[in-house]
Amino acid sequence: ETGVTQSPTHLIKTRGQQVTLRCSSQSGHNTVSWYQQALGQGPQFIFQYYREEENGRGNFPPRFSGLQFPNYSSELNVNALELDDSALYLCASSSAESVEQYFGPGTRLTVT
Amino acid sequence: DQQVKQNSPSLSVQEGRISILNCDYTNSMFDYFLWYKKYPAEGPTFLISISSIKDKNEDGRFTVFLNKSAKHLSLHIVPSQPGDSAVYFCAAMKTYFMRFGAGTRLTVKP
Repeated sequence: ETGVTQSPTHLIKTRGQQVTLRCSSQSGHNTVSWYQQALGQGPQFIFQYYREEENGRGNFPPRFSGLQFPNYSSELNVNALELDDSALYLCASSSAESVEQYFGPGTRLTVT
Repeated sequence: DQQVKQNSPSLSVQEGRISILNCDYTNSMFDYFLWYKKYPAEGPTFLISISSIKDKNEDGRFTVFLNKSAKHLSLHIVPSQPGDSAVYFCAAMKTYFMRFGAGTRLTVKP
């Protein structure tokens, strides 16, 4: 059973740029959630996708957007990067029938 | 808003003893509560969950207690092992929305 993978591992971007982060869900999972984890804090929910549709969203502006593909892999796109967007971005996959979410190792984004 | 709070940033216990990690929440509408463990450079790993209609759930060395009147849950680890040293996150879930606490760093000393 393949776990959740994320790419890239680390990324450095400049303020105002755009970034795309990628996630491959665990086999058999049809739901993916994205989280932002700032230093010293717990993960904050960005949004969730179920069967290629956004299923719910946290308190993040529209410049945070996502996609889920037919193979249940996913992307997180962030436009007009700000310094405060520097964080660890985690994706988690799950099946619709379970509360348990399986997390990837994360992508560390640094905005300068 | 901090709907899920872990007020102890760190906890240190001796190997073999009990570790008790605490978590408070403010919203009575949460359906499930979960505990995750996180090692450096890895994503959080699911440990144990409890439905809001239960007051206790046990899985091996891990037991979660839920006190709905106090809006408080705790994770007990017995006996604690050095490999348990990690950051522990409490999380509360309502449908798709999962909200995490800030985490407690547990150190288990040999």
